[in-house]
Formats: sequence, structure tokens, C-alpha cells
Amino acid sequence: AQTVTQSQPEMSVQEAETVTLSCTYDTSESDYYLFWYKQPPSRQMILVIRQEAYKQQNATENRFSVNFQKAAKSFSLKISDSQLGDAAMYFCAYRSYSLLQGGSEKLVFGKGTKLTVNP
Amino acid sequence: DTGVSQNPRHKITKRGQNVTFRCDPISEHNRLYWYRQTLGQGPEFLTYFQNEAQLEKSRLLSDRFSAERPKGSFSTLEIQRTEQGDSAMYLCASSLNLGKGGSNQPQHFGDGTRLSIL
Repeated sequence: AQTVTQSQPEMSVQEAETVTLSCTYDTSESDYYLFWYKQPPSRQMILVIRQEAYKQQNATENRFSVNFQKAAKSFSLKISDSQLGDAAMYFCAYRSYSLLQGGSEKLVFGKGTKLTVNP
Repeated sequence: DTGVSQNPRHKITKRGQNVTFRCDPISEHNRLYWYRQTLGQGPEFLTYFQNEAQLEKSRLLSDRFSAERPKGSFSTLEIQRTEQGDSAMYLCASSLNLGKGGSNQPQHFGDGTRLSIL
């Protein structure tokens, strides 16, 4: 079974600074997807960024980028120019690539990292 | 695209009562997922549907839990004889599967239904 570990329960960053959130995972599959979701307080979970394991290039979405190290099974999220609105719980998640190979459609989540942005 | 809608937002009930939650996915999405999230934890998968077919169920989904998606549109999650441990946020998500096998389309989440058992 796949597992996702987020070792930082809480992180803080100054507004306009850069912060990196860590995520490691364990799987025996060679193809899969990795995601970062953001969950603001009392609001719905929103997809931040997605990475396909077969792509070597790290995904980027505006101020958000990932450092995907497949051999190390590491998938960190970097937030540049942090804004007050970035304050939220951030969840790292794993999903199998293909049902045809016996994978599952379910997302496997880590426990999350609470990010505080200080003005 | 009005997003994934869940009702009610909050449900408070006494232990032993039955509760039912509803989820309306994004209209063109053919896959629908249920997750449970307890305080301080990430969401845990419960079950998912492709159209009206329930394709996978977690071991977390005990006999007291049942989910349906009768017409392939909205879904209901019922918990019978609720217990204290059922207190959690129940999240629904939907996605669009464009072909056979898995899909690279992301799951979109609703606001969730928070269940409190007295």
C-alpha cells in the first residue's frame, strides 16, 4: 500500500518570502501522480499543482513549483513571494497512474502542513 | 461550472441515529468520490463511483455505511446507528474520466459535511 508522509506539522513564512513544504511517499509502482492540495480554514480543498511521475520536468504553476525527486521518493512544494492568502493546510497526495495496471483511483493523503504567513 | 455541492454543511445528531449526506458533483463529471477527514488528519478514501457503478470501497466503509449513486448524477452517503467515532468531515469529490483505465484529471472537492455525534 502507498503511504504519504509530511514531516512538518506547521510552518511559517514572512510575507513575500519563500517557503518549502516537504513530502515523501512510499510506493512500489513506477507510474503515478502526485498532487499538492490547499485547504483554507473552513473552505474547500483546492488543487495547487500536479506532477506526473513519468515527467522529469518539475511542474510549475505561477508562484508554486515542485521539486520532484523520483529516486528519493520526495515531492516538495515551493511557494515563492508568499501572500497572506496562502495561509492554509497543505496536503500532499498520491494516486496510481492506471487502473489497467491494478492501480486505484483513490487519493492517498499525508497528514498535512499548516502554513502561517506573517505580515 | 458551479463546483461540487454538499448538503448539509453541518449535521449534529445523537449516537445511534441514522444520517444521510448528499453530494452533487460537477455536472459533466462521471466519477464521484467520498472521503472522511478527522481533526488533524488528511482525508481518507471511503469509496468511489464511475457513473452509477460503485467501483471501489475502503475497509473503512463498515457495514453501517452505504453509498449510492442511482442515476449516475448525485450521490448519497448514509451512516446507520452512528457512533462517536463517526464524527468527522465527510468530503465529496468528482472528476472526469476521459477514457478507459485511470484518468489524469484531478479531483475537485466540495466544502464537506461536518458530522458531530452527541
